[in-house]
Amino acid sequence: EIVLTQSPGTLSLSPGERATLSCRASRSVSSNFLVWYQQKPGQAPRLLIHGSSNRARGIPDRFSGSGSGTDFTLTISRLEPEDFAVYYCQQYGSSPRTFGQGTKVEIK
Amino acid sequence: EVQLVESGGGVVQPGGSLRLSCAASGFVFDDYAMSWVRQAPGKGLEWVSSINWNGHNTDYVDSVKGRFTISRDNAKNSLYLQMNSLRAEDTAFYYCAKDTGSYFSDWFDPWGQGTLVTVSS
Repeated sequence: EIVLTQSPGTLSLSPGERATLSCRASRSVSSNFLVWYQQKPGQAPRLLIHGSSNRARGIPDRFSGSGSGTDFTLTISRLEPEDFAVYYCQQYGSSPRTFGQGTKVEIK
Repeated sequence: EVQLVESGGGVVQPGGSLRLSCAASGFVFDDYAMSWVRQAPGKGLEWVSSINWNGHNTDYVDSVKGRFTISRDNAKNSLYLQMNSLRAEDTAFYYCAKDTGSYFSDWFDPWGQGTLVTVSS
């Protein structure tokens, strides 16, 4: 199975700052089949990005995804108070579908 | 609006059984594959099982094979997870999630609010 490693584990930033989250795969993710989710405490995960770089419906354009092969990035251009949460990547290029362990974006 | 509502969680002893249900609305249920994803308290996400649109194809994570059974009733717009021989490591929130197509191959969107399963003596 493809193992996804997210870094850093925790990102401490202030509102208005830029957040850069990394997701690295143990082998190439075919066709860039990678998504990003956001999860807030007590809530289910919410889809942000699919196909590595396509924003889901209703997701603000401050969220962007990029990358290919084994290295993927989620960027939040200017953090809003509601963006402080845990972010997970997930690959669907091969079975089983696997998740990264998450990156927590916390208020500095 | 798509809605997924899980039920059936609770406290069960090791070796026991539990059946989770997920009631779906707001979309044509039998057009889509469905999945269960779990999250141990304070931990990350783990895909558990998926079923295609007509229930003829299923898949499981290795750790639950032979113990869990996924099924669906398209007439009732419902998804199920029968969990047998439960272990402490099965303790988690279990989320019902809609796949993007009729076969399980893509991402999960949306997710239900989850139901907590606690395996403890």
